[in-house]
Amino acid sequence: DAMVIQNPRYQVTQFGKPVTLSCSQTLNHNVMYWYQQKSSQAPKLLFHYYDKDFNNEADTPDNFQSRRPNTSFCFLDIRSPGLGDAAMYLCATSRDPGQGYTFGSGTRLTVV
Amino acid sequence: EDKVVQSPLSLVVHEGDTVTLNCSYEVTNFRSLLWYKQEKKAPTFLFMLTSSGIEKKSGRLSSILDKKELSSILNITATQTGDSAIYLCAVVLNSGYSTLTFGKGTMLLVSP
Repeated sequence: DAMVIQNPRYQVTQFGKPVTLSCSQTLNHNVMYWYQQKSSQAPKLLFHYYDKDFNNEADTPDNFQSRRPNTSFCFLDIRSPGLGDAAMYLCATSRDPGQGYTFGSGTRLTVV
Repeated sequence: EDKVVQSPLSLVVHEGDTVTLNCSYEVTNFRSLLWYKQEKKAPTFLFMLTSSGIEKKSGRLSSILDKKELSSILNITATQTGDSAIYLCAVVLNSGYSTLTFGKGTMLLVSP
């Protein structure tokens, strides 16, 4: 049973058109993370929520926002996608990171 | 700045060979090190290692951390084509939110 679910699996959006990616979890984990992974690169943390506390990485562009309306859901909003934002976006959760994260299957974003 | 370095960046071997992947780290406040296997989807968890130095094994895969050398190795014996993937190393810091810092990964290709 999928425990961290990302929708959609593939998303095509137009240059400059806002897009939202979603992540839901059935694990009741406190922490949810959004990573961006470009081709042939390691995942890069964009931000994470510890319960309702939002933590933005210093180099995450302002174009990227996130919402976590409740424990189960977390959204990634890209306000004005550029061609350089095309990537795999990974959502992950953890209760205690020392035990390993649980990743979703990712959303591959294409910007045209 | 926290740093995780993996080597080699890519590797091609024949089926049946044994491979050793390396991960070294320079971080403040180390907590644990995680290995992930990534095919064309989200990373899947392999091992978690701590400064205890205890070796972890799962089938043909094994891993150990050397706290003096600040490094870890991932061994795969009797490789199979299904082992072809990117292997990611990530370090967990002992901070409040314990985010992951990833290395760039090692791309392993096992040829028949």
